[in-house]
Amino acid sequence: AQSVAQPEDQVNVAEGNPLTVKCTYSVSGNPYLFWYVQYPNRGLQFLLKYITGDNLVKGSYGFEAEFNKSQTSFHLKKPSALVSDSALYFCAVRDIRSFQKLVFGTGTRLLVSP
Amino acid sequence: DAGVIQSPRHEVTEMGQEVTLRCKPISGHDYLFWYRQTMMRGLELLIYFNNNVPIDDSGMPEDRFSAKMPNASFSTLKIQPSEPRDSAVYFCASSFASVGVGEAFFGQGTRLTVV
Repeated sequence: AQSVAQPEDQVNVAEGNPLTVKCTYSVSGNPYLFWYVQYPNRGLQFLLKYITGDNLVKGSYGFEAEFNKSQTSFHLKKPSALVSDSALYFCAVRDIRSFQKLVFGTGTRLLVSP
Repeated sequence: DAGVIQSPRHEVTEMGQEVTLRCKPISGHDYLFWYRQTMMRGLELLIYFNNNVPIDDSGMPEDRFSAKMPNASFSTLKIQPSEPRDSAVYFCASSFASVGVGEAFFGQGTRLTVV
C-alpha cells in the first residue's frame, strides 16, 4: 500500500533561517507526492506536488520540495522562514488504486520563532 | 468562487443524537471527499464521490456513518446515533480531475463534539 512517513512531530526554527520538513514515501510504481499546509482552525491548503520531471518542485509561499528517488524522500524546504509559516504540514501520496485519492502523513508542526 | 463551504462550523450534541454535516463543493469540481481529523488518528479519508457517485467508502468507520451526494453542489455526512468517540473535525474537500492530480480544496471544517 502507498504510504508516507513524517518522522518529526515538530520542527522549530528561528525566523530567517532555512527550514526543512521531512517526508519519506513507500510506493509501488512512480510516486505522485504532495505537500499541504494547515493553519489554525482552517482546512488544508495545497502547496506543491511532484508528478514527474525536475526533482526540485517550487510551490506557494516560497516553499519548494526536493524529490530524491534513491532516498525515497520528498522533503519540504524554504530558504528563509517566516513566523507566519508556523502551521501544520502534511505530506501525501496518491493512492495507486485511485487517481484522486490521497494518503496523508501524520503531519509535522512547524514553529518559527521571532 | 467562495471555496468549499461547510456547515455548521461547530456542532455540540448529546450522545445518541443524529448529526448531519453539510458541504457545498466548488462549482465544477467532480470529486468530493470527506475527511476526519483527530489527534490520535490524524487525517482519515472516510468516503469520496466522483460525479456524485460514491467510489470508496472503506474509510467509513461503521454503519452509524452515512454520506450522500444528491447533486453536484451538495453533500451530507450523517452520524446516527452519535457517540463521544466521533468527536473530531470533519473536513470536506473537492477537486477537479482535469486540473491536476491531488490538488484538492478543503473547507474550513466542522468541529463536532459529542458529549
